[in-house]
Amino acid sequence: NAGVMQNPRHLVRRRGQEARLRCSPMKGHSHVYWYRQLPEEGLKFMVYLQKENIIDESGMPKERFSAEFPKEGPSILRIQQVVRGDSAAYFCASSPVPGTDTQYFGPGTRLTVL
Amino acid sequence: AQSVTQPDIHITVSEGASLELRCNYSYGATPYLFWYVQSPGQGLQLLLKYFSGDTLVQGIKGFEAEFKRSQSSFNLRKPSVHWSDAAEYFCAVDQGGNTGKLIFGQGTTLQVKP
Repeated sequence: NAGVMQNPRHLVRRRGQEARLRCSPMKGHSHVYWYRQLPEEGLKFMVYLQKENIIDESGMPKERFSAEFPKEGPSILRIQQVVRGDSAAYFCASSPVPGTDTQYFGPGTRLTVL
Repeated sequence: AQSVTQPDIHITVSEGASLELRCNYSYGATPYLFWYVQSPGQGLQLLLKYFSGDTLVQGIKGFEAEFKRSQSSFNLRKPSVHWSDAAEYFCAVDQGGNTGKLIFGQGTTLQVKP
């Protein structure tokens, strides 16, 4: 059973471009969580999704950020018109049921905004 | 609001010495507590977790942690550190029982001297 997969592992964008980060959960997992890790900080919760539904987006910035988890395919975190402050590592985690006790993290995508 | 504090940003220990990493949390009820390790450029690996029951929890790689409700602490320990333990360690608490939303501490970077 492959683990949680994220791609790309590294992404470089210029200010104003769009960034798309993908997360493929573990097989059988229908719950996905996105976290952001700014330099020198711990991870901060962004959004929790189930298939085709956003359950909790209380940690998402109000503008430019969106997330989806379609019926088929990976979960996508989209950042429009990126700014330097968006440079961070973005991690996703997945679980088969809601909850932290069965959550597994992916390797992360490191976004650099020039 | 729930919070997690890791008072030590950096710790250096000699190989073979014992290790204790501190973690204090703020949470009203019995918390779900976690310790993760992150090697440079890697994702997070779960070391151990506490939900209920025995307050001394055994994890992988020889780590253990003790939940002390009276001190709101969940310190991580290892009797003899190996050079490969050098990494960043994060303590985390579930935001509300077992919601799947983790609050992380700022992290403690462990350096191991030969």
